[in-house]
Amino acid sequence: KAGVTQTPRYLIKTRGQQVTLSCSPISGHRSVSWYQQTPGQGLQFLFEYFSETQRNKGNFPGRFSGRQFSNSRSEMNVSTLELGDSALYLCASSSGGWGSYEQYFGPGTRLTVT
Amino acid sequence: AQRVTQPEKLLSVFKGAPVELKCNYSYSGSPELFWYVQYSRQRLQLLLRHISRESIKGFTADLNKGETSFHLKKPFAQEEDSAMYYCAFTGGESGYSTLTFGKGTMLLVSP
Repeated sequence: KAGVTQTPRYLIKTRGQQVTLSCSPISGHRSVSWYQQTPGQGLQFLFEYFSETQRNKGNFPGRFSGRQFSNSRSEMNVSTLELGDSALYLCASSSGGWGSYEQYFGPGTRLTVT
Repeated sequence: AQRVTQPEKLLSVFKGAPVELKCNYSYSGSPELFWYVQYSRQRLQLLLRHISRESIKGFTADLNKGETSFHLKKPFAQEEDSAMYYCAFTGGESGYSTLTFGKGTMLLVSP
């Protein structure tokens, strides 16, 4: 099976702009989670979608949002970018079923805000 | 709040030496614990899941509920083991669909 893919891999934006990141999960996986990775804070959970519904949300401001489509692909949007949003954004997929809690990660999107 | 602690930011050993990467978690229920590894320029990948009790690349980890620990061990380190290792937890108040990560331990194995 193909792994989790994320596009774009690199992105440079200016403060105040908005950005959309995309994630395609492993075929058959219905759960998609997003994480932010920074040197200072490490890996932090943003949100998780399952069958097009947000099932869990981390402690991030409302500028961070996401959605999931019927084919399980997911997008994450960050509005009004701040310098502190510079990070590696990771997407992970999981089958979402009972007892199947392993998450498989994509390569990430490196976002730089200037 | 549930938390995962990896006390060492960096662990440096010589090839052939035993390795133990420490992980402690704060949760009194039945968590699911994982170890993930990130090699240089590669994606984060699952190394071990406690419930499977298997050995991957010579690594093992035992869940100790009394000490709330899930330390990762390998009897003889290899240079290719050099990587960033993250302990992760799911369960508890956030349910089983999110992962809480420790800050990670960088393992450096010297020849």
